[in-house]
Amino acid sequence: DAGVIQSPRHEVTEMGQEVTLRCKPISGHNSLFWYRQTMMRGLELLIYFNNNVPIDDSGMPEDRFSAKMPNASFSTLKIQPSEPRDSAVYFCASRTGTGVYEQYFGPGTRLTVT
Amino acid sequence: QKEVEQNSGPLSVPEGAIASLNCTYSDRGSQSFFWYRQYSGKSPELIMFIYSNGDKEDGRFTAQLNKASQYVSLLIRDSQPSDSATYLCAVTLSGAGSYQLTFGKGTKLSVIP
Repeated sequence: DAGVIQSPRHEVTEMGQEVTLRCKPISGHNSLFWYRQTMMRGLELLIYFNNNVPIDDSGMPEDRFSAKMPNASFSTLKIQPSEPRDSAVYFCASRTGTGVYEQYFGPGTRLTVT
Repeated sequence: QKEVEQNSGPLSVPEGAIASLNCTYSDRGSQSFFWYRQYSGKSPELIMFIYSNGDKEDGRFTAQLNKASQYVSLLIRDSQPSDSATYLCAVTLSGAGSYQLTFGKGTKLSVIP
């Protein structure tokens, strides 16, 4: 079984540019989570979806960030315009709707905004 | 603000010793507890979960939970250099937040050959 797939793995962009990160959850998983990880703040939940519906976006830092999940197998996280302080590793994770709620992480996207 | 606290380390142990990693949490209603391992430059990988008071063993790993003290720990027996990584404690919130995991900032473990 393929795990969570994220693309791109690395992204370097200039301040002010739009950045789009992509995620494909594990097949059959109905919850999807976007996290950001930095040395200072650790792993922070940005937003999560349940059955493609955004449930809690209180972790989204500001209006520059938006996320969509048009279907069960695809989600995007967009930053527009990007700023240097957005530099971090962005992880996507998914889980099933039953059981003990463990989440499985993708390999992450390392974003550098110059 | 619901918090999960871990000692950032680094925790250094000699090869073959027992490594003890600790975590406290503030949400008394938390139900499920997870330990993730994260190698440098990699994504978090689930090691164990526990939701009942007491001990749960899986190979060289033992998770311990004490809900009254709001404390969860991970013991690694016969530590190996390959265990060197950052260990993240994660906790589900109570109530409407139970879908979410709140992570500690992690404890960096170094196993010295």
